[in-house]
Amino acid sequence: QSVLTQPPSVSGAPGQRVTISCTGSRSSIGAGYDVHWYQQLPGTAPKLLIYGNSNRPSGVPDRFSGSKSGTSASLAISGLQAEDEADYYCQSYDSSLSASVFGGGTKLTVL
Amino acid sequence: QVQLVESGGDLVKPGGSLRLSCAASGFTFSDYYMSWIRQAPGKGLEWVSYISSRGSTKYYADSVKGRFTISRDNAKNSLYLQMNSLRAEDTAVYYCARHYGSGPNWFDPWGQGTLVTVSS
Repeated sequence: QSVLTQPPSVSGAPGQRVTISCTGSRSSIGAGYDVHWYQQLPGTAPKLLIYGNSNRPSGVPDRFSGSKSGTSASLAISGLQAEDEADYYCQSYDSSLSASVFGGGTKLTVL
Repeated sequence: QVQLVESGGDLVKPGGSLRLSCAASGFTFSDYYMSWIRQAPGKGLEWVSYISSRGSTKYYADSVKGRFTISRDNAKNSLYLQMNSLRAEDTAVYYCARHYGSGPNWFDPWGQGTLVTVSS
């Protein structure tokens, strides 16, 4: 059971917008720790998608956006494309565990 | 370009030991904190351990504390993970990843991973 909670799966048609939630606790996201998001394409290593809640690394399309509020965060993907089909993970820090923590991952299916 | 390449993964019996290596290139390795993160087959990501830039500070997940040891050789631009008393539940792809900054920040980039299988 992961410290951060994500829905196991989401889906959307090409061109649509989907959101993936990431729920933590008062010792993780709620304590003010930033949330970061990773994209893992099949058979590959995770790749940084969003850092510091809402910042995109160079090369990441602006179709991807992140936000944080209270004990939760969200990743939004607009204008869905077939190549967006992947697993998405959120990451933060939990002070009660003194550890970086991940969500269980969300599999995005593009219909 | 910034690159991390893991090696050392193998099939090992329960109770056995293994040492993973991660070779870094394309950046000043000694300036960065580093971590090991693992992913069991078909499962999510689990942070395992991190080490400060000079190796003076180390943290471990409770699941590996007392069995795994992280280390680094800045002269060789290399990160290591010594794994002892291995269990079936340690079976996973192990990734090394660079930290941004010194705090609980994000990981970028990640290596391609090396597979550790613990089975009799």
